[in-house]
Amino acid sequence: GAVVSQHPSRVICKSGTSVKIECRSLDFQATTMFWYRQFPKQSLMLMATSNEGSKATYEQGVEKDKFLINHASLTLSTLTVTSAHPEDSSFYICSARQAGATLSGNTIYFGEGSWLTVV
Amino acid sequence: QQQVKQSPQSLIVQKGGISIINCAYENTAFDYFPWYQQFPGKGPALLIAIRPDVSEKKEGRFTISFNKSAKQFSLHIMDSQPGDSATYFCAASKTGGGNKLTFGTGTQLKVEL
Repeated sequence: GAVVSQHPSRVICKSGTSVKIECRSLDFQATTMFWYRQFPKQSLMLMATSNEGSKATYEQGVEKDKFLINHASLTLSTLTVTSAHPEDSSFYICSARQAGATLSGNTIYFGEGSWLTVV
Repeated sequence: QQQVKQSPQSLIVQKGGISIINCAYENTAFDYFPWYQQFPGKGPALLIAIRPDVSEKKEGRFTISFNKSAKQFSLHIMDSQPGDSATYFCAASKTGGGNKLTFGTGTQLKVEL
């Protein structure tokens, strides 16, 4: 099946610094990518929808200046957590929708997730 | 607002038994209902999905039952195995909604020997 790769899988950063997480679709083009946040033993919460070549659409309550999303190509979206604080520590997961596919949900593929720990 | 409610929160089943997880939704515009399986520290993986034009879909040991009038759908795992121990999420999306998935709260399944 299609593969979505996230990097890094784990990252530790100091409070106040910024950290970038990459989401790549390895064998397909993704016009749309989604970024989720998941706290331990909780569900996935959609943070933003990233469309190639345009600005991301953020969900209510998500600070767009803190969580910068760039979708510069059909295979890469990045999430940058700026001025990170310990409360930003979480599991961040991306998913990608295959370009040209129907709106059927089975064209969405998830990455393996990235653990962010802010110390 | 929790648009997709999932129960139970956790479930323990004996090996070979049937695991049943239930979900209920509110938005009648939803027209795609997938189930995802997630192992610790990993991203979710699509298990099986259904559209509201059918009442049941079966793939191997996994079956989705769908009740449109009740706005409920459930996952049945037959002959549950220890390897099925994971967290299961139901989700829903709507055509024209940009494939945005609304997830349930998750069910931690443990299959004991």
